[in-house]
Amino acid sequence: QQQVKQSPQSLIVQKGGISIINCAYENTAFDYFPWYQQFPGKGPALLIAIRPDVSEKKEGRFTISFNKSAKQFSLHIMDSQPGDSATYFCAANYGGATNKLIFGTGTLLAVQP
Amino acid sequence: DTGVSQNPRHKITKRGQNVTFRCDPISEHNRLYWYRQTLGQGPEFLTYFQNEAQLEKSRLLSDRFSAERPKGSFSTLEIQRTEQGDSAMYLCATNRYSEEKLFFGSGTQLSVL
Repeated sequence: QQQVKQSPQSLIVQKGGISIINCAYENTAFDYFPWYQQFPGKGPALLIAIRPDVSEKKEGRFTISFNKSAKQFSLHIMDSQPGDSATYFCAANYGGATNKLIFGTGTLLAVQP
Repeated sequence: DTGVSQNPRHKITKRGQNVTFRCDPISEHNRLYWYRQTLGQGPEFLTYFQNEAQLEKSRLLSDRFSAERPKGSFSTLEIQRTEQGDSAMYLCATNRYSEEKLFFGSGTQLSVL
């Protein structure tokens, strides 16, 4: 129940295309779902996050879609750029007021020019 | 650069040796977290502090691991009698109490030979 399953493991997208990464969870006590972007040799950086009472959140080219009944959420990157090439992690907060995050296994995104 | 500083960036040690890592948080952040990330995986929660108090430790944190945060400022993570399975990236993250966004440092990459 303390898992977040992420797919795909890797993704290749052409410049200008849409990148879609999916995550699923079991524990309905999770109350906060962030997406992190990580470049090689760097720590993860928060990209966008959502709470389960919202079905969609958009920030620039990044959108989270959240399906509470299906216990799934996804990240959409519109107009993907080579600079978006990185590893993306979904996560869920299982710590309530604290930020104890459980992360997915990551998706390595490569955007080809 | 998120403002969370970790040193050293890389550490190579022989099995059985002790190692210590340091994390300097963003100055006004009173919460500090340690996560561990192995190759191809997402970060895993180890422990967290609110000010100088260590409020929670994961089951992943064996007796060989100890963390401190004297005076609620910088934190150290010590691993005694290192094992090859300890090889990983050790990430520090910080935030203010009641804020959800975590700021990660660039990590310390530990290699145990």
